[in-house]
Amino acid sequence: QITLKESGPTLVKPTQTLTLTCTFSGFSLSSSGVGVSWIRQPPGKALEWLALIYWDDDKRYSPSLNSRLTITKDTSKNQVVLTMTNMDPRDTATYYCAHSDWGVAAGLDYWGQGTLVTVSS
Amino acid sequence: EIVLTQSPGTLSLSPGERATLSCRASQSVGGSYLAWYQQKPGQAPRLLIYGASSRATGIPDRFSGSGSGTDFTLTISRLEPEDFAVYYCQQYGSSPWTFGQGTKVEIK
Repeated sequence: QITLKESGPTLVKPTQTLTLTCTFSGFSLSSSGVGVSWIRQPPGKALEWLALIYWDDDKRYSPSLNSRLTITKDTSKNQVVLTMTNMDPRDTATYYCAHSDWGVAAGLDYWGQGTLVTVSS
Repeated sequence: EIVLTQSPGTLSLSPGERATLSCRASQSVGGSYLAWYQQKPGQAPRLLIYGASSRATGIPDRFSGSGSGTDFTLTISRLEPEDFAVYYCQQYGSSPWTFGQGTKVEIK
């Protein structure tokens, strides 16, 4: 079955760079149509889509955060990494990674449990 | 960027009642690539509906989705106690993918 799990620091300081890793199993990110997205959710607020990487290394970003985000994949390790530069307290949120597959066209059908990142000095 | 506006913000209903949630897009959602998710406190979102009207695996048939273009609806025919949660719509027909702000279904 498909599983995803986020990992990374729970606390970062303002202006630092955040690096989050999504480690997955049950699918291959080299299969046509497959993608992994990052989504975040500040405490008590709505979901916000951040970035998406496809099997063919096509990458998409939220326009409002585009200059601060980088998404990469390591197919051999079954991992997707998101980096976000210049962290601010407003970036405090639970960060999720999620699977998608255009072969099914079912949106974000599998999600990780999420990891809470707090930005504070 | 497609902006999704959900209404109402909060829906107060009793178990057994029917819930109707709306999601309106600022422009047409290509391919009706519109999904609905349920989120309970402390949990990750769970996919309910994709392609505007297809139920995801294991989702009870009391959940149904409809709509096309810019207007979409999630209907819960008879609310069960476990259905009280926050519901989000999301479009994946064009980049950037976007979410609505959510509708909370609470017990009246």
